[in-house]
Amino acid sequence: NAGVTQTPKFRVLKTGQSMTLLCAQDMNHEYMYWYRQDPGMGLRLIHYSVGEGTTAKGEVPDGYNVSRLKKQNFLLGLESAAPSQTSVYFCASSPADRVDGYTFGSGTRLTVV
Amino acid sequence: LAKTTQPISMDSYEGQEVNITCSHNNIATNDYITWYQQFPSQGPRFIIQGYKTKVTNEVASLFIPADRKSSTLSLPRVSLSDTAVYYCLVGAGNTPLVFGKGTRLSVIA
Repeated sequence: NAGVTQTPKFRVLKTGQSMTLLCAQDMNHEYMYWYRQDPGMGLRLIHYSVGEGTTAKGEVPDGYNVSRLKKQNFLLGLESAAPSQTSVYFCASSPADRVDGYTFGSGTRLTVV
Repeated sequence: LAKTTQPISMDSYEGQEVNITCSHNNIATNDYITWYQQFPSQGPRFIIQGYKTKVTNEVASLFIPADRKSSTLSLPRVSLSDTAVYYCLVGAGNTPLVFGKGTRLSVIA
């Protein structure tokens, strides 16, 4: 049982490049989330999904897009990367009742130069 | 969304009990209180969740007074490996949890 798997773990992008971060969960969770964490800060919610085919904006959605075509996968896209998007990105999932809280992935460290 | 307030940092010696208090004055009737632990370079890990009174598991205890405007995470006999950032969050239903900066706990030998 892998839990929540994020790929890639590390990535360096040039300003203006695009990329997609993949999050996969094998726990049959309904809800999935993308957060970013900057040094010394808490996590900030980018986008989330409460079910297959649904997405919603979080606190800091600008510059990002998401898709949830399959229940187990939640993709985060950066259309035109900017240095301000340098951060660690965490994906999480939870069942609808959130009894045992969120399960987080190990993160993707993204640097935009 | 209910906002939480917790100390920025705390220090403790090994073997001591640590209590981290969180204030959530605007907690809604349906909100649960959840605590997470985060080690450097890792994602947060769920510790404990409660609605009222006291909840205990193998890792920690959570004390919630009757008015639910605050909660206290209690870590018994901490060790160096408990050095981490601890987050207090409140929320319910399908509303995503909002993380603050948390409390940085440093355990000293």
